[in-house]
Amino acid sequence: QSALTQPASVSGSPGQSITISCTGTSSDIGGYIYVSWYQQHPGKVPKLIIYDVSYRPSGVSDRFSGSKSGNTASLIISGLQAEDEADYYCSSFRRSSTPYVFGTGTKVTVL
Amino acid sequence: QVQLVESGGDLVKPGGSLRLSCAASGFTFSNYYMTWIRQAPGEGLEWVSHIDNSGSAIYYADSVKGRFTISRDNAKNSLHLQMNSLRAEDTAVYYCARGPVSGSGRFDYWGQGSLVTVSS
Repeated sequence: QSALTQPASVSGSPGQSITISCTGTSSDIGGYIYVSWYQQHPGKVPKLIIYDVSYRPSGVSDRFSGSKSGNTASLIISGLQAEDEADYYCSSFRRSSTPYVFGTGTKVTVL
Repeated sequence: QVQLVESGGDLVKPGGSLRLSCAASGFTFSNYYMTWIRQAPGEGLEWVSHIDNSGSAIYYADSVKGRFTISRDNAKNSLHLQMNSLRAEDTAVYYCARGPVSGSGRFDYWGQGSLVTVSS
């Protein structure tokens, strides 16, 4: 039941764009559109920011976008702002007896 | 508005049991799958278990299979997690989440979490 692989940390300056990758296999990311992304500020509850690879829930900034290629999904944050400093987690459906899995998490730092 | 409120978290000794509950409001509870997700201190998110809207399809993470039991009471809009044979590695904040939403893999609303500490 291995987690999806994310970089431990990504950083950028205000106004820049950054990309967070999430790598899985053909049994999860590569085989399904059920990829979601969650933002978690320190001490706070995770918040859904992208679902089904590239859809944004109502109220989420359009600076957040998602994509997928093969077994890797990506979260792109454009126009980086101080408030974007948080942990980000991907998740995916997995063809398995344990049908959902999260990524290892990425800490985003705004320089 | 959608609200999920967990309760039941506590300090328990290894080998002990605990029952978490999640009270749901602001939506038609019986129409949604529900999920428990946990986060150990300083660690990432871990999917624990989910139950379909009728309670007939249930799945568990390998790490809790045989020790934890998820259930729901649609008449009372409540979700439960019975945790037995608790281990130190079960120490975590346990979140109740709505989803996965039908036709999508998303968990769109989360509770505030309930802290479970397993220690002697």
